[in-house]
Amino acid sequence: GEDVEQSLFLSVREGDSSVINCTYTDSSSTYLYWYKQEPGAGLQLLTYIFSNMDMKQDQRLTVLLNKKDKHLSLRIADTQTGDSAIYFCAESSKAAGNKLTFGGGTRVLVKP
Amino acid sequence: EAGVAQSPRYKIIEKRQSVAFWCNPISGHATLYWYQQILGQGPKLLIQFQNNGVVDDSQLPKDRFSAERLKGVDSTLKIQPAKLEDSAVYLCASSLDWGALNTEAFFGQGTRLTVV
Repeated sequence: GEDVEQSLFLSVREGDSSVINCTYTDSSSTYLYWYKQEPGAGLQLLTYIFSNMDMKQDQRLTVLLNKKDKHLSLRIADTQTGDSAIYFCAESSKAAGNKLTFGGGTRVLVKP
Repeated sequence: EAGVAQSPRYKIIEKRQSVAFWCNPISGHATLYWYQQILGQGPKLLIQFQNNGVVDDSQLPKDRFSAERLKGVDSTLKIQPAKLEDSAVYLCASSLDWGALNTEAFFGQGTRLTVV
C-alpha cells in the first residue's frame, strides 16, 4: 500500500531557507502535494507537482521531485514567522481514485 | 466562492454515545471525502463519495462508522457507539471530479471530537 514519510520537526531562523523532506512508496503516484496546517485551521494547499516534472517554483516555494528515489522536498526561501506551521506531504494516483495519502507532517518553527 | 462548510466545530461526548458530523461541499463538486486526523498524525481517508455513490470506504470502521450523501450534495458522518480512540479532527474535503487528471481537494476547518 501507499506510505508517505516525513521528518517530525524543523527549526529555522527567520530569513533563512527551510527545506522539508518527504519520501513515498507508491510508484504510480500522479501528483505530489504540499499542504500547510496552522493551529485550529484546515489544510491549505501550498503547491503541487506532476510526477513527470522534477522541479516547480512558485514565488518563495521550490518543489524538487526525485522520482527514481521517490523523494520530494519543499524549500521555503526567506522563511518568515508566519511560515510556522505543520507541513504535510501528500500523494495521489488516478488508479487509487485520486484520494490523498498524507505523511505525518513536519512541524516547522521559525525563530526570530 | 464559499468554501467547504462543516459543523459542529467542536464536540465532546462520552464513550458509547453517538455523534454526527455534517459537511456541505463547494457547490458543483462531485467528489466528497471524509478524513480522520488523530493528534500528531496526518489525515487518513475514511470514505470517498462520487456524487451519492461510494468510491472507497476501505478504511472506514464499518462496525461503528457510517456515512451518507443521499442527494449527492451534503454529507453526514456518524459514529455509534464512540470509543476513546475516535478522538480526532474529522475533516471534510471536496473536489470537482475524482476522474479528472488533477483535482484539487478543498478542505473544511474540521470538527474536533473529544471522547471522554
